[in-house]
Amino acid sequence: EAGVTQFPSHSVIEKGQTVTLRCDPISGHDNLYWYRRVMGKEIKFLLHFVKESKQDESGMPNNRFLAERTGGTYSTLKVQPAELEDSGVYFCASSQVIWGFSTEAFFGQGTRLTVV
Amino acid sequence: AQSVTQLGSHVSVSEGALVLLRCNYSSSVPPYLFWYVQYPNQGLQLLLKYTTGATLVKGINGFEAEFKKSETSFHLTKPSAHMSDAAEYFCAVTMLTGANSKLTFGKGITLSVRP
Repeated sequence: EAGVTQFPSHSVIEKGQTVTLRCDPISGHDNLYWYRRVMGKEIKFLLHFVKESKQDESGMPNNRFLAERTGGTYSTLKVQPAELEDSGVYFCASSQVIWGFSTEAFFGQGTRLTVV
Repeated sequence: AQSVTQLGSHVSVSEGALVLLRCNYSSSVPPYLFWYVQYPNQGLQLLLKYTTGATLVKGINGFEAEFKKSETSFHLTKPSAHMSDAAEYFCAVTMLTGANSKLTFGKGITLSVRP
């Protein structure tokens, strides 16, 4: 069974440009999460989808970040325009929902974003 | 609100020595606790989890952790370190119910294993 897949693995962009990160969750997983780790800091929650709906987006840093999950399958996270402080590793995770409870989350390998 | 404290950023042990990585949590409701590991150039991998039931949980690669409610702790141990255990370890807490299933992570601890 394929795990959580993220594209690209690395991205280097200039300040002011746009970058789109993609996450393909494990098939059948309704929950999809985005997290970010800025260098030297802890992994921080960004947002949570249940199928195509945003369940919790309390961790999104500002309106330069836009996440979508059309059709409840893969998700994209767009940063526009990118700023230097957006650099970090962006993780995606997915999990199942069983009887209203979420199972443990499985993580992708992350996308390392560098804004120069 | 939930929080996780992992004291220190780096632990170094000799091969064959005991590994002890500390994790303390704060949660207003019974928590679900996890340890994840990140090997170099890889993603986060689940080591073990505590949800309900037995407070001593065993995970992959010989690791185990004990949930101690009175101490609000979930320390990770391994009796004998191996060179392949060198990685970064993250403790995390969640409630796993509906909207509250996001993970709150500690800052992570890097484990080095000396030959």
